[in-house]
Amino acid sequence: LAKTTQPISMDSYEGQEVNITCSHNNIATNDYITWYQQFPSQGPRFIIQGYKTKVTNEVASLFIPADRKSSTLSLPRVSLSDTAVYYCLVGDYNTDKLIFGTGTRLQVFP
Amino acid sequence: DTGVSQDPRHKITKRGQNVTFRCDPISEHNRLYWYRQTLGQGPEFLTYFQNEAQLEKSRLLSDRFSAERPKGSFSTLEIQRTEQGDSAMYLCASSLPTGGYETQYFGPGTRLLVL
Repeated sequence: LAKTTQPISMDSYEGQEVNITCSHNNIATNDYITWYQQFPSQGPRFIIQGYKTKVTNEVASLFIPADRKSSTLSLPRVSLSDTAVYYCLVGDYNTDKLIFGTGTRLQVFP
Repeated sequence: DTGVSQDPRHKITKRGQNVTFRCDPISEHNRLYWYRQTLGQGPEFLTYFQNEAQLEKSRLLSDRFSAERPKGSFSTLEIQRTEQGDSAMYLCASSLPTGGYETQYFGPGTRLLVL
């Protein structure tokens, strides 16, 4: 499984766009990229998933460059409720289990 | 509610006691996973089932731990002779792999405190 590296923490203010970049230099051809959000004392919540280029849903966008060695989670106009830990994971359909790192702790200030 | 549910949400026990946790996955999901999470760390994989078959176990899953999914629906995770180091959040996730992608959906977790 490809290892991921992401910043330990980030700060932002309400209303700003937040971009969290994840490095996965050893990503394999069959790997796809998934981001989860986790609040204290709750299970991780699926945010977005993609393989290449750009994916957008109602809560976030995921940008994946052509070489796929990194990805960027973009949260538009964050609010205080977006304060959480964000995990970037690289997974292969055939390897099943998720390998979590320590994630990025995002703090949103008023 | 169609999400993953776990019971109990919290459990306090004394060292040496046995505890059992239950997970009810999303109904049509055939894969079910157990993870453990300690403070400040990401979840760590413990084991997973495809239907009723337990296909993989982490080395974290000592012989004091056992998991079952007897009818391919709900699952139980039992810890025998609990130790203080077992104190953690135990998370369950389920998925239905389709089209080469797999998205795991997590339950709220069971927080275990061993005194």
